[in-house]
Amino acid sequence: DQQVKQNSPSLSVQEGRISILNCDYTNSMFDYFLWYKKYPAEGPTFLISISSIKDKNEDGRFTVFLNKSAKHLSLHIVPSQPGDSAVYFCAASAVETSYDKVIFGPGTSLSVIP
Amino acid sequence: SAVISQKPSRDICQRGTSLTIQCQVDSQVTMMFWYRQQPGQSLTLIATANQGSEATYESGFVIDKFPISRPNLTFSTLTVSNMSPEDSSIYLCSGGTEANGYTFGSGTRLTVV
Repeated sequence: DQQVKQNSPSLSVQEGRISILNCDYTNSMFDYFLWYKKYPAEGPTFLISISSIKDKNEDGRFTVFLNKSAKHLSLHIVPSQPGDSAVYFCAASAVETSYDKVIFGPGTSLSVIP
Repeated sequence: SAVISQKPSRDICQRGTSLTIQCQVDSQVTMMFWYRQQPGQSLTLIATANQGSEATYESGFVIDKFPISRPNLTFSTLTVSNMSPEDSSIYLCSGGTEANGYTFGSGTRLTVV
């Protein structure tokens, strides 16, 4: 049973446009969410996170939105650049419970076309 | 964020043998995890490495196959035991805290022949 879902396995966007990557989760105990970016042959790198007490967190070109009632979050990249082409993983954890682990979604492969 | 050194970066092993992967963190972290990424698939959590006690394994993973050690807050090892070709994968460790985020090692690409 997949607790973190990324229903779009791939996404193509023109350079300069907005990239929107979506993520849904099923476990209402999750209260902390993270996005990671992964280039081929490298380990995933942390990108941005958001706590469940917020609905938006912004860091430069990257903004994460959280809709708790819908159990949905999204990552917006504006403007998209060719160097953003990578696989993006959504991840969730439950900080308030005694067992703190991070669960990853399957990833979305983003291609930014020059 | 913590910096994690993982080694080896890759290895080719004979079936039936074992390989131990090491992760060294440059600072103390409360949580360390081990993941596997099989070809074309997402990261799958193998276990949480607990400092001073037995690791907590996810469904489908057992201690006899993937023994884990975590002797302190900066170091952990994962052993892939009695390897078969199905164990060919990328293995990643992760560590960090919720406040500072999690970082990953660069991964170990294992090929079992």
